[in-house]
Amino acid sequence: QQPVQSPQAVILREGEDAVINCSSSKALYSVHWYRQKHGEAPVFLMILLKGGEQKGHEKISASFNEKKQQSSLYLTASQLSYSGTYFCGTEKNAGGTSYGKLTFGQGTILTVHP
Amino acid sequence: GAGVSQTPSNKVTEKGKYVELRCDPISGHTALYWYRQSLGQGPEFLIYFQGTGAADDSGLPNDRFFAVRPEGSVSTLKIQRTERGDSAVYLCASSLRGDSAGANVLTFGAGSRLTVL
Repeated sequence: QQPVQSPQAVILREGEDAVINCSSSKALYSVHWYRQKHGEAPVFLMILLKGGEQKGHEKISASFNEKKQQSSLYLTASQLSYSGTYFCGTEKNAGGTSYGKLTFGQGTILTVHP
Repeated sequence: GAGVSQTPSNKVTEKGKYVELRCDPISGHTALYWYRQSLGQGPEFLIYFQGTGAADDSGLPNDRFFAVRPEGSVSTLKIQRTERGDSAVYLCASSLRGDSAGANVLTFGAGSRLTVL
């Protein structure tokens, strides 16, 4: 079952913040976040493993609530380079082993204007 | 190589023809994945190799699709009797090892865009 991302699209001015959510109906082992620009490869942002952790990468961070099977990606002080489509990819619980078989959400289109 | 390389970047073919798409993973990565991405959608899992063997091919839509990785490095996705519904971007990804008790980060290539007329 495909995870559900919200919102479907976000428009920001440079410097504004955004939150992208990802919800799954299945017990998850990990959540992966990728950003894809038009015609390019999806680029890895971060991975969160079950345990409710929060990770950060410059001004982009994420959290994973294992109990609720939800993850959120936080973009602070957005830059023009943040524009693109953000995908969450989920991996279901397989006894503590990751096989990289991800189920991706439909994506959230983020547009940052000057 | 430095990244995951896929060829061709674009392929236009006619309905019913046979197509091969090639993926060259990052050197040293033992796991290789094929995903398919339709317009406006997220990537969809097709098949995963650990070394030379297909560890999970549950995402292949039907028996027209087949993939090989004979020497544990380069992989070829083969599509027989192509249909218009096969049109999509076919993404390849690799990771250091496919079965990891921890983080398993996939690095994607730019994809091969297949158009079936």
